[in-house]
Amino acid sequence: GENVEQHPSTLSVQEGDSAVIKCTYSDSASNYFPWYKQELGKGPQLIIDIRSNVGEKKDQRIAVTLNKTAKHFSLHITETQPEDSAVYFCAASNDFGNEKLTFGTGTRLTIIP
Amino acid sequence: DGGITQSPKYLFRKEGQNVTLSCEQNLNHDAMYWYRQDPGQGLRLIYYSQIVNDFQKGDIAEGYSVSREKKESFPLTVTSAQKNPTAFYLCASSIGGGALVTDTQYFGPGTRLTVL
Repeated sequence: GENVEQHPSTLSVQEGDSAVIKCTYSDSASNYFPWYKQELGKGPQLIIDIRSNVGEKKDQRIAVTLNKTAKHFSLHITETQPEDSAVYFCAASNDFGNEKLTFGTGTRLTIIP
Repeated sequence: DGGITQSPKYLFRKEGQNVTLSCEQNLNHDAMYWYRQDPGQGLRLIYYSQIVNDFQKGDIAEGYSVSREKKESFPLTVTSAQKNPTAFYLCASSIGGGALVTDTQYFGPGTRLTVL
């Protein structure tokens, strides 16, 4: 089955700086890669996703890059703000897996004012 | 949290008792999922259902049971056979319906279960 590894487990960044979170996956058939943000005591919320037919996707301050050859994908947050503090999860799935997502173990991002 | 509700938010039970967690969605989604979240382990899939009256085991189904009698409801029962039931439980749904590409999963607010 699929295995997703996520690094780092914790990340502290000065407000205004950029943050990068990286994930690697094992199943070369995986082709859908969402990123979720989870605030304390709440359910995860999708912030951005990418499919394997593109290498990069941006949405304002958030971007995701995908390297299919190396089987890794990354989340980039620019101009970080205090409200970006949360736990971020990456996940992977393929269109033939009955929409099952395999999640990474999460990154706790702290923005230092 | 969209149109997915989970109740209650906090639940306490004595060891050896079965407990049922509620999940309801008004998004008209065909597919629903249950995940368990433990500190440092991310989300792990317990059960999922792609359509009414059908469901499949996920990666950690032992000690859990589900039913899918209605499209909008997917209750999870944590049985006394689950050895370590204390965790944060998350329900999710997606459009499903045999779509050719993986759909976005939307999550509910979660239920924190503590077994004493």
